[in-house]
Amino acid sequence: AQSVTQLGSHVSVSEGALVLLRCNYSSSVPPYLFWYVQYPNQGLQLLLKYTSAATLVKGINGFEAEFKKSETSFHLTKPSAHMSDAAEYFCAVSEGAQKLVFGQGTRLTINP
Amino acid sequence: EAGVVQSPRYKIIEKKQPVAFWCNPISGHNTLYWYLQNLGQGPELLIRYENEEAVDDSQLPKDRFSAERLKGVDSTLKIQPAELGDSAVYLCASSLGVSGELFFGEGSRLTVL
Repeated sequence: AQSVTQLGSHVSVSEGALVLLRCNYSSSVPPYLFWYVQYPNQGLQLLLKYTSAATLVKGINGFEAEFKKSETSFHLTKPSAHMSDAAEYFCAVSEGAQKLVFGQGTRLTINP
Repeated sequence: EAGVVQSPRYKIIEKKQPVAFWCNPISGHNTLYWYLQNLGQGPELLIRYENEEAVDDSQLPKDRFSAERLKGVDSTLKIQPAELGDSAVYLCASSLGVSGELFFGEGSRLTVL
């Protein structure tokens, strides 16, 4: 069965610094991988997704993620953090259409 | 285009009382999901509908939870009776086809006292 592990339940960075949120997955078949963002008291919003095309995926708000099969990783990065990036971020994996399994989430805090 | 609409946003009840949540998906989306999100956790699938058929309800606690999606559009999730451990956010999502992109509502936050 597929699963996702997000390393670090809380990440804190300074405004303007690099953001790196880690995600490792387990899947018996080539997976689909996703990053979702959840702002306080809101639903989840898709940031980006990997579906076996380019291994470097660009998403909204300047985020990108790189699929590394050898490391079973799909880490999320952003070169320069902005205060508005403060939110909860969820990595998710799917082995087939429409059945997502989410990680436990990483809360990102941005320090001024 | 309107997004996924859920109601109520917040609900406080006493244990053993019933509660119901309603979801209206994005127009034309044939797949509808109910997820449970506990505090500090990622969403966990409760049930998935393809049109009006529940195709995956393996994680739905059927002794107290029930769901329906009449006419393959909006859906209702019910808990009867509620227990203290049911306090959580209940998220509804919908998708079109096999793109894998789920669109989520804002959730219904349940507090059981």
